[in-house]
Amino acid sequence: DAMVIQNPRYQVTQFGKPVTLSCSQTLNHNVMYWYQQKSSQAPKLLFHYYDKDFNNEADTPDNFQSRRPNTSFCFLDIRSPGLGDAAMYLCATSRGLAGGNEQFFGPGTRLTVL
Amino acid sequence: AQKITQTQPGMFVQEKEAVTLDCTYDTSDPSYGLFWYKQPSSGEMIFLIYQGSYDQQNATEGRYSLNFQKARKSANLVISASQLGDSAMYFCAMSLNTGFQKLVFGTGTRLLVSP
Repeated sequence: DAMVIQNPRYQVTQFGKPVTLSCSQTLNHNVMYWYQQKSSQAPKLLFHYYDKDFNNEADTPDNFQSRRPNTSFCFLDIRSPGLGDAAMYLCATSRGLAGGNEQFFGPGTRLTVL
Repeated sequence: AQKITQTQPGMFVQEKEAVTLDCTYDTSDPSYGLFWYKQPSSGEMIFLIYQGSYDQQNATEGRYSLNFQKARKSANLVISASQLGDSAMYFCAMSLNTGFQKLVFGTGTRLLVSP
């Protein structure tokens, strides 16, 4: 089945130790998104790629970076995780940017920062 | 800017009964889409139903229907014949149809279905 896959499902890192979260898709969608969802809150968009075109949300901290080496894969790098970065990180894809394009979400990676 | 409001932090329903989850939205743009997602405790966001602002009829998908009242700017989700597996967090979201489709989410409603 075509899907959005996130690895790992659970990630534990230490304060200040860089961490990379992975997302892959078999849907061949043009757009990939990264969301941060803190406990009992709505998902918050960090950035998205339309093909290789990277778009950062204005309030996304510099500590968060992303790479998309090809259509299928997208990575979220947190350069120096703080305790406040502990959250669920959701990857999503959509066929295009236009309205009505449903976003397909992966199962998420739950990040713990010690 | 768009805004989604979900006023029910939690809802309880008995199995096999219907439940309505409220969602109101605010935008001055005439072209937009409204989405409902389900998020079980496992974490993934599952798409349930979509309503376009120009759609004449209310969207339906199996046991899910969207009660779209454009003049009131509401897009309530109706789940018929609730099942235990419906217990989850439900998010209403919207995006504009022009430019970048950024999903703006509400704060969610936690639904608990009891036997």
